Amino acid sequence: AQSVTQLDSQVPVFEEAPVELRCNYSSSVSVYLFWYVQYPNQGLQLLLKYLSGSTLVKGINGFEAEFNKSQTSFHLRKPSVHISDTAEYFCAAISGGYQKVTFGIGTKLQVIP
Amino acid sequence: NAGVTQTPKFRVLKTGQSMTLLCAQDMNHEYMYWYRQDPGMGLRLIHYSVGEGTTAKGEVPDGYNVSRLKKQNFLLGLESAAPSQTSVYFCASRPLGGSGYEQYFGPGTRLTVT
Repeated sequence: AQSVTQLDSQVPVFEEAPVELRCNYSSSVSVYLFWYVQYPNQGLQLLLKYLSGSTLVKGINGFEAEFNKSQTSFHLRKPSVHISDTAEYFCAAISGGYQKVTFGIGTKLQVIP
Repeated sequence: NAGVTQTPKFRVLKTGQSMTLLCAQDMNHEYMYWYRQDPGMGLRLIHYSVGEGTTAKGEVPDGYNVSRLKKQNFLLGLESAAPSQTSVYFCASRPLGGSGYEQYFGPGTRLTVT
């Protein structure tokens, strides 16, 4: 079973609409969770991370995510998207004795004008 | 600081040729990683290193070798390239502690094997 699951491969959304990108994790990974963003033809950069403490995590560019232990989820949200948010988003979790990171397959967010 | 840099940015190889991808970081990070990114498959770990002189296999190590002779450099080698190795390769690094496990990525190398 996949240890980090992103349920949607593509999400189209109109500009200024809210968006949620879904991520679930399995017990084979830790609960140190991340969202990374990849803009076209670039490397990945960190959006936000959950290590402990408050389950609602705020990141850059107005994104936030909520850690839900009972549902083993870490969904990413933004209340109003902009054209510049068009990118691929990766959910990830620390694994392998805290030395490695396991990535989901990515969700492409397409913001429609 | 340049962060994480990768050389070259693009390369086309013929089947059977060899090449080395260079990753360099100027942040004094202990950990370094090589990933490949393929459509619909996310990032898959090829090899990684937890310090100078050490390397370990990741999820998809076959056909690749690595070396970490200097702390700031992590080399990925393809001894005999195959079309299945056509991909975008990303290097990443992170410190031993203090950053909450955040990885810092290079801009990628796009490799095509014909």
